[in-house]
Amino acid sequence: AQRVTQPEKLLSVFKGAPVELKCNYSYSGSPELFWYVQYSRQRLQLLLRHISRESIKGFTADLNKGETSFHLKKPFAQEEDSAMYYCALSDYGNNRLAFGKGNQVVVIP
Amino acid sequence: DAGVTQSPTHLIKTRGQQVTLRCSPKSGHDTVSWYQQALGQEPQFIFQYYEEEERQRGNFPDRFSGHQFPNYSSELNVNALLLGDSALYLCASSLAPLGQGGGYTFGSGTRLTVV
Repeated sequence: AQRVTQPEKLLSVFKGAPVELKCNYSYSGSPELFWYVQYSRQRLQLLLRHISRESIKGFTADLNKGETSFHLKKPFAQEEDSAMYYCALSDYGNNRLAFGKGNQVVVIP
Repeated sequence: DAGVTQSPTHLIKTRGQQVTLRCSPKSGHDTVSWYQQALGQEPQFIFQYYEEEERQRGNFPDRFSGHQFPNYSSELNVNALLLGDSALYLCASSLAPLGQGGGYTFGSGTRLTVV
């Protein structure tokens, strides 16, 4: 079974400080990894997917198959980054997501 | 483009009752998936519909059923409601056979409260 682990439920950082959200997964197939974000009172939306290898809103994430990790990073946190972040996994060709338990990020002005 | 629209936004039902939630996918999408998000928890996959058939199902009892119409819209039905069914129900649409969860567009959800 596929499983996604996000060890820290709540993360508080000061504005301008680096942010790193950890995500580890366990899956024997060919997973696709994603980060979804849910801002207050807004719908869940895709932030990053590993196959695109792009930077969105200053966030990056690198898939490390050896360590089975897909950590999300941003060098300088902004107040608008305060949100719930979910790491998610999908088996290629499966199109169903398994979510981690999420990280609540609070950026302190 | 209105994206994924769900109705109603909020709903209160009594234990034992039945409920129907509705979802209209994003224009151009033909696959609809449903997720349950209990308060403070991550979304859990319920099932997915494509070409009017249930294609995949998560670990949910038969009380949860669905339907997809020719226009790709979908309904989620829950029978014999339990208090534990109280949650935010999310609809997500995608274009099959994309085969990639990243193609999802989520709706704002229906908040179901069972009393």
